[in-house]
Amino acid sequence: AQSVSQHNHHVILSEAASLELGCNYSYGGTVNLFWYVQYPGQHLQLLLKYFSGDPLVKGIKGFEAEFIKSKFSFNLRKPSVQWSDTAEYFCAVNGGFQKLVFGTGTRLLVSP
Amino acid sequence: DGGITQSPKYLFRKEGQNVTLSCEQNLNHDAMYWYRQDPGQGLRLIYYSQIVNDFQKGDIAEGYSVSREKKESFPLTVTSAQKNPTAFYLCASSIKAGLHTDTQYFGPGTRLTVL
Repeated sequence: AQSVSQHNHHVILSEAASLELGCNYSYGGTVNLFWYVQYPGQHLQLLLKYFSGDPLVKGIKGFEAEFIKSKFSFNLRKPSVQWSDTAEYFCAVNGGFQKLVFGTGTRLLVSP
Repeated sequence: DGGITQSPKYLFRKEGQNVTLSCEQNLNHDAMYWYRQDPGQGLRLIYYSQIVNDFQKGDIAEGYSVSREKKESFPLTVTSAQKNPTAFYLCASSIKAGLHTDTQYFGPGTRLTVL
């Protein structure tokens, strides 16, 4: 069975700091990987996704993630965070028929 | 204005009562999903439907039931058999069933509290 681990449950950063949120998955086959974000009071929305090709994926709002197959990882990065990035971030993997498996989420608080 | 709507936003019920959460989409998506979100546990799949009149259990289906009589609607009933129903419920949809690369789009959620 596939599973997703997000090791950082809470992250606090100051504005302009760099961000890296860890995501590791367990699944032996071909995977599709996603990062979703949930801003306070808003819908869960897609930040970026990886299906194939270039393992470095760029998403909205300056976020990017790198798929490292040998490490079963898909870490999310942003070089300089803003107060508006305060949100909960979810990594998800889909290794089978339409069933997304989500990590437990990471709450990011960016202080101005 | 396309999207996924869920109603109500907040719902309170007494123990022992069944309650139905609404989910409607006007995106013409084939597949629809119900998730439950609990603090520190992420999202867990309750039920999903790939096509009208068909649905499958997800990882935590016990105590829940669904129907898919219309393409645009996928209501979820939380029955009295659900041991811990207080949670935030999210509905999602995706374009085509069978394409595991499809992005899922989420509704605003319903927060259910059992008193």
